[in-house]
Amino acid sequence: GAVVSQHPSRVICKSGTSVKIECRSLDFQATTMFWYRQFPKKSLMLMATSNEGSKATYEQGVEKDKFLINHASLTLSTLTVTSAHPEDSSFYICSARGPTGVNSNQPQHFGDGTRLSIL
Amino acid sequence: GQNIDQPTEMTATEGAIVQINCTYQTSGFNGLFWYQQHAGEAPTFLSYNVLDGLEEKGRFSSFLSRSKGYSYLLLKELQMKDSASYLCVGNDYKLSFGAGTTVTVRA
Repeated sequence: GAVVSQHPSRVICKSGTSVKIECRSLDFQATTMFWYRQFPKKSLMLMATSNEGSKATYEQGVEKDKFLINHASLTLSTLTVTSAHPEDSSFYICSARGPTGVNSNQPQHFGDGTRLSIL
Repeated sequence: GQNIDQPTEMTATEGAIVQINCTYQTSGFNGLFWYQQHAGEAPTFLSYNVLDGLEEKGRFSSFLSRSKGYSYLLLKELQMKDSASYLCVGNDYKLSFGAGTTVTVRA
């Protein structure tokens, strides 16, 4: 079945560091990928929709200059947390759905997530 | 957008059956997913309903009634490994997640 690979699985770094997280679709082409963050015991919150070859669409309240998204190919999207601070510590998860045209019935498949800890 | 509502917690005994109800209110609707999420892990896909009725997959079944804005996930022959959070997720191109129902299976 469809597989999404997310890397790294865990990052611990100092405040002020920029951190890049990669999300790859391994056996299908993903025109659209989604980035979520999840706080402990809370639901996933959509941060942005990453569209191949175009700018990402950010949800309200998400700083686009803080969370840079690049979707340069049909199999790779990256999320860069710039100048990370302790409040950015969270579980970040990407998901991907293959080319659907007008059909959005395919389930989204999630990466394994990245646990980001900013000291 | 979508408003998803499901119970916060449920507890059941190993071997039993548990039904997790979910109600939704949507401005657009293109099906409903159920995902399982173990603590510290990413969600995994369980089921998808876009038409009314019951979809059965082994020990797990999911039901949808579009007219009532209602779905449920039925877990049969519960096993300890089924202890997890179960997410009711509306599909309106973007996914709308419920807060999840934490199911605890006891011996």
